[in-house]
Amino acid sequence: RKEVEQDPGPFNVPEGATVAFNCTYSNSASQSFFWYRQDCRKEPKLLMSVYSSGNEDGRFTAQLNRASQYISLLIRDSKLSDSATYLCVVNRQDSNYQLIWGAGTKLIIKP
Amino acid sequence: GAVVSQHPSRVICKSGTSVKIECRSLDFQATTMFWYRQFPKQSLMLMATSNEGSKATYEQGVEKDKFLINHASLTLSTLTVTSAHPEDSSFYICSASLSSRSRTDTQYFGPGTRLTVL
Repeated sequence: RKEVEQDPGPFNVPEGATVAFNCTYSNSASQSFFWYRQDCRKEPKLLMSVYSSGNEDGRFTAQLNRASQYISLLIRDSKLSDSATYLCVVNRQDSNYQLIWGAGTKLIIKP
Repeated sequence: GAVVSQHPSRVICKSGTSVKIECRSLDFQATTMFWYRQFPKQSLMLMATSNEGSKATYEQGVEKDKFLINHASLTLSTLTVTSAHPEDSSFYICSASLSSRSRTDTQYFGPGTRLTVL
């Protein structure tokens, strides 16, 4: 089983719609959680951290469920520019804070 | 924010040659630099962690004699792919951290280097 699992997609979503992704992680010792965005052939860029209480940044909402070991990302009012691959990342304190990356979920926003 | 550069951005080489990739932190001193590799449609995989002035720590399955890492200063780390083969073709990304604990909120990524070995 992969340490961080994501549905690869692609998710084809009309502009303006709401879309949600989930990510599951296997190591209960994981301490920090993040969503990154990666455009084709580019480096990943930090989208947002995920806090236990859930957090929101504009149209993006992230939530963490430690009991079930999953993280979610919700995008409201999706824009064409949201088209990208979204990477779920987990930072394990028991492994020298190593970042463990999911393979990503591809999102395509259609006009 | 902090800027990390990589050079070259793209390289095409013949099988058997060695390729050096540079990673520089432009406006900060990086205690730790990380080298990742990403194959198409796959996740980033950490190859090694390098701290300035000490030997790099390689992840399991990464050959240290094939992927030579030198972190000679607080602003420069290099990755040399020795005797490259087509299976080494990948997207290599470095990141630099201000903290020895490498928390992601202090880890800044370079733009990546796409290596194609013919």
